[in-house]
Amino acid sequence: SQQGEEDPQALSIQEGENATMNCSYKTSINNLQWYRQNSGRGLVHLILIRSNEREKHSGRLRVTLDTSKKSSSLLITASRAADTASYFCATYMEYGNKLVFGAGTILRVKS
Amino acid sequence: EAGVVQSPRYKIIEKKQPVAFWCNPISGHNTLYWYRQNLGQGPELLIRYENEEAVDDSQLPKDRFSAERLKGVDSTLKIQPAELGDSAVYLCASSSLISGYNEQFFGPGTRLTVL
Repeated sequence: SQQGEEDPQALSIQEGENATMNCSYKTSINNLQWYRQNSGRGLVHLILIRSNEREKHSGRLRVTLDTSKKSSSLLITASRAADTASYFCATYMEYGNKLVFGAGTILRVKS
Repeated sequence: EAGVVQSPRYKIIEKKQPVAFWCNPISGHNTLYWYRQNLGQGPELLIRYENEEAVDDSQLPKDRFSAERLKGVDSTLKIQPAELGDSAVYLCASSSLISGYNEQFFGPGTRLTVL
């Protein structure tokens, strides 16, 4: 079973616009991670936010975490065609030493 | 530094046939994972190894799936016999104690089609 649920399932935007993806989860976590998967390729780790952090930045990526609402968001600013991919949130469980992935958001950036 | 290597990249077999996937993790990574990713879904963990020991195989369908990691490096995942529902991408990942096991490095996967 998958703990995280991403919203929206699919997102289509124009190049240069910002893209926001949301993730909700069910149980206590140690950290939450976002991964990207390009068509036909493996997953690539983007960013990790710990349970005691509220916001984190990495280049054009901004991640927020609200543990009271058990939710996170990933913002990609000034999107590029190369950002077209599936984005997955993955929660690292507080107990069990396991990374659990959501179903992902498909992002399409049109040039 | 070489990434996680998997082979084959694609495999098409008839149902009831056996199939095996191979994974070579990043050098020095003692933790190895096998995931299955169904179409339109995120990866789901099948088994996790710490060196040679399978420490979490609770999601591995043991009636038909088996895995091994001899010498704590390469790993093989086998399905025998394969069923139509086994069609998926099988991903291998590895991580290290240095990163606190927080970041997992994934291979490109093996896309299995069972006819």
